[in-house]
Amino acid sequence: SAVISQKPSRDICQRGTSLTIQCQVDSQVTMMFWYRQQPGQSLTLIATANQGSEATYESGFVIDKFPISRPNLTFSTLTVSNMSPEDSSIYLCSVGGGSNYGYTFGSGTRLTVV
Amino acid sequence: SQQGEEDPQALSIQEGENATMNCSYKTSINNLQWYRQNSGRGLVHLILIRSNEREKHSGRLRVTLDTSKKSSSLLITASRAADTASYFCATDQGRGSTLGRLYFGRGTQLTVWP
Repeated sequence: SAVISQKPSRDICQRGTSLTIQCQVDSQVTMMFWYRQQPGQSLTLIATANQGSEATYESGFVIDKFPISRPNLTFSTLTVSNMSPEDSSIYLCSVGGGSNYGYTFGSGTRLTVV
Repeated sequence: SQQGEEDPQALSIQEGENATMNCSYKTSINNLQWYRQNSGRGLVHLILIRSNEREKHSGRLRVTLDTSKKSSSLLITASRAADTASYFCATDQGRGSTLGRLYFGRGTQLTVWP
């Protein structure tokens, strides 16, 4: 299965600023997924990132708030823009193993907005 | 919401006992997966069961799937203190616009006491 390096592991940011989270995969993958996990909650899919096309966002998430880049088949970034305390969450990237295999997740970015 | 429900929300048992967690979902699925998360870090894939399977085993894990009831259960036998973690079910709807996306249940916090 793929190995994902996610950075940063945690950050404390001022409201109104932006943070970019990076995920590097050790193999080429078609789709990468970004999730948010609010404190004490489950994971919610933010968007699906395909190389060479705009990301597809889930209901409740917009590109202006969570711009995503996917410059190649091994790398993606998620930016959390104009942050507020409500954005304090763990953000995780993921790649899939196909319909018969599980998904691999990055180690997560714990974001605190003050 | 396309996300599932899990119960119990919290489970506390002694080492050596079995732990059973249940998951229900709302839509047709391609497969259902179980994940483990330690202390808000990245998720680890445990087991995947396809929609045409009814039961699957992996080591001390046993998963069942009842597509008529849209429910699944995860059994951990002979639990250990190291099994203490949050456990999530996730459905892969695997078709159309939702291809590759995972929808997670709320999770069960399992605590195993030595």
